[in-house]
Amino acid sequence: AQTVTQSQPEMSVQEAETVTLSCTYDTSESDYYLFWYKQPPSRQMILVIRQEAYKQQNATENRFSVNFQKAAKSFSLKISDSQLGDAAMYFCAYRTLIYTGANSKLTFGKGITLSVRP
Amino acid sequence: DSGVTQTPKHLITATGQRVTLRCSPRSGDLSVYWYQQSLDQGLQFLIQYYNGEERAKGNILERFSAQQFPDLHSELNLSSLELGDSALYFCASSVGGGTSGSNEQFFGPGTRLTVL
Repeated sequence: AQTVTQSQPEMSVQEAETVTLSCTYDTSESDYYLFWYKQPPSRQMILVIRQEAYKQQNATENRFSVNFQKAAKSFSLKISDSQLGDAAMYFCAYRTLIYTGANSKLTFGKGITLSVRP
Repeated sequence: DSGVTQTPKHLITATGQRVTLRCSPRSGDLSVYWYQQSLDQGLQFLIQYYNGEERAKGNILERFSAQQFPDLHSELNLSSLELGDSALYFCASSVGGGTSGSNEQFFGPGTRLTVL
């Protein structure tokens, strides 16, 4: 079974600075997807960024980028030019690439609470 | 707005009771997933339906059941409720749910269940 670990429960960043959120995972599969979801105080789960494991290039979405290290099974999220609206809980998630039955689910880490200081 | 709707937003009930949570997927999405978010267990997958049929089961208790109707909306039924069932219940939907592809899951706003 796949597991996702987010070992930092909380982080803080100064507005306009850069912050990196860490995530590690364990899997025996070679192809899979990794995701970062944002959950603001509204509780809505918002997809921030997605990475396909078979792609060498790290995904980027505006101020959000990932550092995907497949061999190390590490998937960190970098937020540049942090804004007050980035304050939220961030979840790292895993999903297998080819799925039938029970492995179609997303497996989430415990999440990390990010606060942004003005 | 993800396009996934969930009702009700909040639900307060007593132990031993039964409740039904409702989810309407995005237009065109055939898969519906249910997740439970609690302080103890984090975000956990409960069950998935695809075009009316159960496709995958996760850590869903026997007291819980779900179904997907012909119009593709889904209901999660929770019975003999216990204090520990208090949680945020999310529904997500995706276009597919068959065999492969990214099939991004879009989450609804959640239903906050409080069992007293």
